Amino acid sequence: EPEVTQTPSHQVTQMGQEVILRCVPISNHLYFYWYRQILGQKVEFLVSFYNNEISEKSEIFDDQFSVERPDGSNFTLKIRSTKLEDSAMYFCASDQGPGKRHFGDGTRLSIL
Amino acid sequence: GESVGLHLPTLSVQEGDNSIINCAYSNSASDYFIWYKQESGKGPQFIIDIRSNMDKRQGQRVTVLLNKTVKHLSLQIAATQPGDSAVYFCAENVDYGQNFVFGPGTRLSVLP
Repeated sequence: EPEVTQTPSHQVTQMGQEVILRCVPISNHLYFYWYRQILGQKVEFLVSFYNNEISEKSEIFDDQFSVERPDGSNFTLKIRSTKLEDSAMYFCASDQGPGKRHFGDGTRLSIL
Repeated sequence: GESVGLHLPTLSVQEGDNSIINCAYSNSASDYFIWYKQESGKGPQFIIDIRSNMDKRQGQRVTVLLNKTVKHLSLQIAATQPGDSAVYFCAENVDYGQNFVFGPGTRLSVLP
């Protein structure tokens, strides 16, 4: 079965630095998403992306966050100036439309 | 705000027994629900979904029941196996939008 792949699996960054998390969604999917999961807590929606633009975002997704689909296969999440509270697992997901959403195995972001 | 919640944060069952994981939701406008399984170090994995025009749906060894009257969702796992040990999340969706709201999760432990 096709998978959503994410790199790196673990990212360690100094507070205040920029970080880019990378994802390769499933190739025939049209909708792409980023979610966040703070350790021991529930999965939280950040943003959805369709047709090369953000279609929906949560209040977590503030001006420090941005997403991009730089080419036909990658989907990235950028955090401009990381804070300690940005430490979490970040999951990328994709689907063909509302329904069976496939998740990657996540990037663990640790802010020092 | 409205959110999805769970009655039991942990559940331990004997191997071979049936498991029932419960979820309460408060948004009466939710019309689509998904159960996800999350194993340690992995992203959420789709198990089964149900739309609000149904009250029961069966998959392989799993059944989802939806009671809209009391806003309750359950996941039944038949003949629970060690590989079923994971955290299970329910997620709700309104009007086939892109923001799934996840519940806090239930940890299922299968005892030998």
